[in-house]
Amino acid sequence: GAGVSQTPSNKVTEKGKYVELRCDPISGHTALYWYRQSLGQGPEFLIYFQGTGAADDSGLPNDRFFAVRPEGSVSTLKIQRTERGDSAVYLCASSLFDTDTQYFGPGTRLTVL
Amino acid sequence: GENVEQHPSTLSVQEGDSAVIKCTYSDSASNYFPWYKQELGKGPQLIIDIRSNVGEKKDQRIAVTLNKTAKHFSLHITETQPEDSAVYFCAASYSGGGADGLTFGKGTHLIIQP
Repeated sequence: GAGVSQTPSNKVTEKGKYVELRCDPISGHTALYWYRQSLGQGPEFLIYFQGTGAADDSGLPNDRFFAVRPEGSVSTLKIQRTERGDSAVYLCASSLFDTDTQYFGPGTRLTVL
Repeated sequence: GENVEQHPSTLSVQEGDSAVIKCTYSDSASNYFPWYKQELGKGPQLIIDIRSNVGEKKDQRIAVTLNKTAKHFSLHITETQPEDSAVYFCAASYSGGGADGLTFGKGTHLIIQP
């Protein structure tokens, strides 16, 4: 079946603007994760959803970052008042509830000018 | 929180030789250790994983070993091929029966020389 998909693949915005990044998980996967990957680094955990609720948002860097998953499937990562330091690849992953294997999407490359 | 160290940062081997990448972790509660391969412009792809109840796991040319006492685990790739060239990441997490966020190492750029 289809894997994790993310849109857009690339997003260029100006400092101070608001952006939304979308993730479509693998069908049937109840767990969904957001990570951020800076150039030359490993992915860094941001937030984890189990169903519709955020089970762990300890990785969100500050209150400019927010994520939702209203129907337990598609998730949107929202960044307010973007800063140049927010530039990175934002990765989404999903997994079945009872397993640990996380499957990643291709990512959204965010560039803040 | 968990901290994962990965070495080396770059590894160059001749085609057909073996490659070994090593990781250490800090949290003794971690019990799940996946390895991901990432090609340029793509998301990480799981290649193998191991749980703390076993010491070794093998899948064709790829194997992973885990030493819980020393808190380190390693990826072994034998008979390397040009398509093995990529960045490899190790990760660790604690999962008490559900899912959990992964803590990644900084990655190893594996270069297979023809």
